[in-house]
Amino acid sequence: QVQLQESGPGLVKPSETLSLTCTVSGGSITNYYWSWVRQSPGKGLEWIGYVYYNGRTKYNPSVKSAVTMTVDMSKNQFSLRLRSVTAADSAVYYCARLGRVGELFDYWGQGTLVTVSS
Amino acid sequence: AIQLTQSPSSLSASVGDRVTITCRTSQGINRDLAWFQQKPGEAPNLLIFDASDLESGVPSRFSGSGSGTHFTLTISSLQPEDFATYYCQQFNSYPLTFGGGTKVEFK
Repeated sequence: QVQLQESGPGLVKPSETLSLTCTVSGGSITNYYWSWVRQSPGKGLEWIGYVYYNGRTKYNPSVKSAVTMTVDMSKNQFSLRLRSVTAADSAVYYCARLGRVGELFDYWGQGTLVTVSS
Repeated sequence: AIQLTQSPSSLSASVGDRVTITCRTSQGINRDLAWFQQKPGEAPNLLIFDASDLESGVPSRFSGSGSGTHFTLTISSLQPEDFATYYCQQFNSYPLTFGGGTKVEFK
């Protein structure tokens, strides 16, 4: 059974960089697309982007200029970096697997709350 | 980006009721739609994909239908564990987008 677990700071200061890592267990990171989704009361569920196991990425235009996703196959992990955050970036961040060639969110992490505040 | 509009945004129902939730998309997406259930404090859980295919392990009281721009999720006989929020999501084109959610509450 594939399991995903997010890790990273729960509090980030405005204008700084949000960094999260997702560790995948129970399966290989190879041949799959790995995604980040966030959920805030004001904006609902928002897909941030994906990183393929070979490092290829696709981002939501709403955050494209500020986001970087990377993958570390040796650790079975993938990561999110979101630069220059504001209060609007406060949300629960989920990592998820995009199965069926990048179409279906079939496995999710439990989510981690990130608050942007000074 | 394709916009998804769910209705109603919330509903009250009783155990045993038949519940129908609608999702409309801003442009045609064939049958490239999924439905998720989310309970408080948990991640969304995939129920249906390709508009009407039931994910493995999901009870048969859940069903989906539709194509193009109009889709529905139906729970044939609501059970206590079904009180949750439901989201539709399209995977026809990037960026992937979600509906605003429908909260099913106990009457």
